[in-house]
Amino acid sequence: GAVVSQHPSRVICKSGTSVKIECRSLDFQATTMFWYRQFPKQSLMLMATSNEGSKATYEQGVEKDKFLINHASLTLSTLTVTSAHPEDSSFYICSAPLLKQGGGTEAFFGQGTRLTVV
Amino acid sequence: QKEVEQNSGPLSVPEGAIASLNCTYSDRGSQSFFWYRQYSGKSPELIMSIYSNGDKEDGRFTAQLNKASQYVSLLIRDSQPSDSATYLCAVKVPNGGSQGNLIFGKGTKLSVKP
Repeated sequence: GAVVSQHPSRVICKSGTSVKIECRSLDFQATTMFWYRQFPKQSLMLMATSNEGSKATYEQGVEKDKFLINHASLTLSTLTVTSAHPEDSSFYICSAPLLKQGGGTEAFFGQGTRLTVV
Repeated sequence: QKEVEQNSGPLSVPEGAIASLNCTYSDRGSQSFFWYRQYSGKSPELIMSIYSNGDKEDGRFTAQLNKASQYVSLLIRDSQPSDSATYLCAVKVPNGGSQGNLIFGKGTKLSVKP
């Protein structure tokens, strides 16, 4: 199957600093990528849709100025958590969809990034 | 509000038994349905996808879809301790275009006892 690489897998930062998370599709191109956040014992919640060459689309309640998304190329999207706060501590996961032969799409997930803000 | 509902569990079955995981969804226009397995601290991995009514079998896994009842299930035969994980039901948003996003249920935690 296709591979999506997410980096870093784990990061600890101080309150007020910014953290950048990268999501790369290694063997396919992705004009769209999705960023999710998952709190303990909760499901994945979509934060935003990253679009190559245009602005990201944010879900209701997600601050676009706090969670900066840049989809610079067909294989790379980045999420920057700015002015991090302990409440931002969570598991962040990206996914990229791949059109399958015969129709339908399959979502491939990155390994996830465990962010801890202290 | 598009919703995907799952029983959070935990669902506990003995090794070798059949585990049955259930999911309902609210958007009748949904066409694509997925089951993901997520181990603690890891990202989800796709187990099964199903697009039409009926059963779809892949090894020990069988996905069942009933669009009239807006219900999708996953059966795991001959359950193994390594199957212990959280199983996420996901439904593709109908108006999301060819690369539309997925709505996830909260997941059902499965525990297979040796």
